[in-house]
Amino acid sequence: QKEVEQDPGPLSVPEGAIVSLNCTYSNSAFQYFMWYRQYSRKGPELLMYTYSSGNKEDGRFTAQVDKSSKYISLFIRDSQPSDSATYLCAPLTGGGNKLTFGTGTQLKVEL
Amino acid sequence: EPEVTQTPSHQVTQMGQEVILRCVPISNHLYFYWYRQILGQKVEFLVSFYNNEISEKSEIFDDQFSVERPDGSNFTLKIRSTKLEDSAMYFCASSAGRNLDTIYFGEGSWLTVV
Repeated sequence: QKEVEQDPGPLSVPEGAIVSLNCTYSNSAFQYFMWYRQYSRKGPELLMYTYSSGNKEDGRFTAQVDKSSKYISLFIRDSQPSDSATYLCAPLTGGGNKLTFGTGTQLKVEL
Repeated sequence: EPEVTQTPSHQVTQMGQEVILRCVPISNHLYFYWYRQILGQKVEFLVSFYNNEISEKSEIFDDQFSVERPDGSNFTLKIRSTKLEDSAMYFCASSAGRNLDTIYFGEGSWLTVV
């Protein structure tokens, strides 16, 4: 089983839609759950992160973690064409800063 | 906004040649990293560097790879004898500490081995 799995997409949605991006992981030692956004041929850019289980909201973005099922979600409200990118989940063990990236989900928000 | 800069943006090299990829981390950062992304695949950790030594490396980071901080500003990745499978985007990253929201990535150096 892969350590971190994401549906690669592409996921196409109309502008204004609510987007749900998901990620599963296998390593119980992961405690921090990062979401990065990567535009084509650019470096990953941190969107937000959560610690342990629960929700965290930042503007139009909400990150959700369910450690019992090892399931991570990122919700984007009122999606915009500028949100079109690949979204990478990257969990992390406590005390470490070596990121383990998923393959990423490619999102396209269409006008 | 501070940024991590990488050079070259794209390099084409022949198999067996040595390549050096350069990075200028954000000036007050203390932790430095290299990641790579083979086309169509996930971003993979190569190595982390702190206090002038490697703090962690992956199984990908074998003897043909080395890192160095030759002066106070540059952080380099050397690939001694390139192979076709080394073709990838190489990302440098840096962080001020072990705080998770301070890891910044550069735009990458695209290496093509022919």
